[in-house]
Amino acid sequence: AQTVTQSQPEMSVQEAETVTLSCTYDTSESDYYLFWYKQPPSRQMILVIRQEAYKQQNATENRFSVNFQKAAKSFSLKISDSQLGDAAMYFCAYVGPGTYKYIFGTGTRLKVLA
Amino acid sequence: NAGVTQTPKFQVLKTGQSMTLQCAQDMNHEYMSWYRQDPGMGLRLIHYSVGAGITDQGEVPNGYNVSRSTTEDFPLRLLSAAPSQTSVYFCASSPEGGAGSGTGELFFGEGSRLTVL
Repeated sequence: AQTVTQSQPEMSVQEAETVTLSCTYDTSESDYYLFWYKQPPSRQMILVIRQEAYKQQNATENRFSVNFQKAAKSFSLKISDSQLGDAAMYFCAYVGPGTYKYIFGTGTRLKVLA
Repeated sequence: NAGVTQTPKFQVLKTGQSMTLQCAQDMNHEYMSWYRQDPGMGLRLIHYSVGAGITDQGEVPNGYNVSRSTTEDFPLRLLSAAPSQTSVYFCASSPEGGAGSGTGELFFGEGSRLTVL
């Protein structure tokens, strides 16, 4: 069965600095989607960035980028120039081909220090 | 745009009571799903649907029923609530869902906090 692991329950970063959140997953599939979702204190789940496994180029969205290592089954999120509004829970998620069962990691709580 | 609307946002139940969490989306999405979020466990899939009349079980389906009579609505029913069902529940939809021709992006409701005493 596919699994998603986020080994960092909590991380802290100084405002304007860069932080990397880790995510590893296990699958025997070759084509799948990976996501990072942000959950601020408002509880709303917001898509940060997505990656399609067949694309070798790492996805980027403004200050957010991923380091996708397919062979290592690693999908880390880098947040550059961290802002106070980046403070939230971040969830990594996976969905495979031919299935509609999204699998989420346990989350990483990011604190941004002023 | 309303997006995905969940009601109620908060609910307190007694053990053994039944209730329905409502979920409606106005984006004409074929895929809808329910998750529960518990501390330290992330989001776990309860049930999902890929279209009207089609539902299937997720990771933690026991104690929950669903139906999908229309594209817009996907209610989650607790037939006999138990304290173990105390959680925050999220409904999410997607144009197609899964890793296929679309983006696979899930659009979430604001969540419903359920407490079972």
